[in-house]
Amino acid sequence: KAGVTQTPRYLIKTRGQQVTLSCSPISGHRSVSWYQQTPGQGLQFLFEYFSETQRNKGNFPGRFSGRQFSNSRSEMNVSTLELGDSALYLCASSLEGPLNEKLFFGSGTQLSVL
Amino acid sequence: AQKVTQAQTEISVVEKEDVTLDCVYETRDTTYYLFWYKQPPSGELVFLIRRNSFDEQNEISGRYSWNFQKSTSSFNFTITASQVVDSAVYFCALSSDHSSASKIIFGSGTRLSIRP
Repeated sequence: KAGVTQTPRYLIKTRGQQVTLSCSPISGHRSVSWYQQTPGQGLQFLFEYFSETQRNKGNFPGRFSGRQFSNSRSEMNVSTLELGDSALYLCASSLEGPLNEKLFFGSGTQLSVL
Repeated sequence: AQKVTQAQTEISVVEKEDVTLDCVYETRDTTYYLFWYKQPPSGELVFLIRRNSFDEQNEISGRYSWNFQKSTSSFNFTITASQVVDSAVYFCALSSDHSSASKIIFGSGTRLSIRP
């Protein structure tokens, strides 16, 4: 069974640009959640999608958005990039949701904002 | 407020030594779940264990063992006879069974280095 796939692996952008990251969950998993990992703030929950609907959202500005497609693949978008958005963005999938389930993580997208 | 504290930022031991990673949590919820994840250099977090708040039994899986004590709000992780492949960052996490997934809280992680 293929794991969670995130593309691209690395990304370099400049301030003010926008970026789209992609996540393909494990086959059969309906929940996809996104996390931001930085040295200063650690791992922080961004949002969760389930059956194409955003079910939960963390405490991030509106520049961070996402969506989920009918095949459960998910994308997250960050507009008007800021230097502080430089981070490892991790996607995780699970059958029903992240609260009390085992999460399967991808290797992440390392975003650098210059 | 919910919080997970991993006071040990970095630990370095020689191979075959035993090592314990500490995790202290705070929550007012009576039903909650605790997790440990391992993050190797490749980046993905790997699930190690899940414990619910009603099950205080210790668990052993090979060289790994976990000690859950509600009285001290701790969920410590011990690696026996450590190996170089155990080198990684380890995260303790807490979640409640409420609807808000923003209540999933990760600790700051402990970087474990096993020297040959």
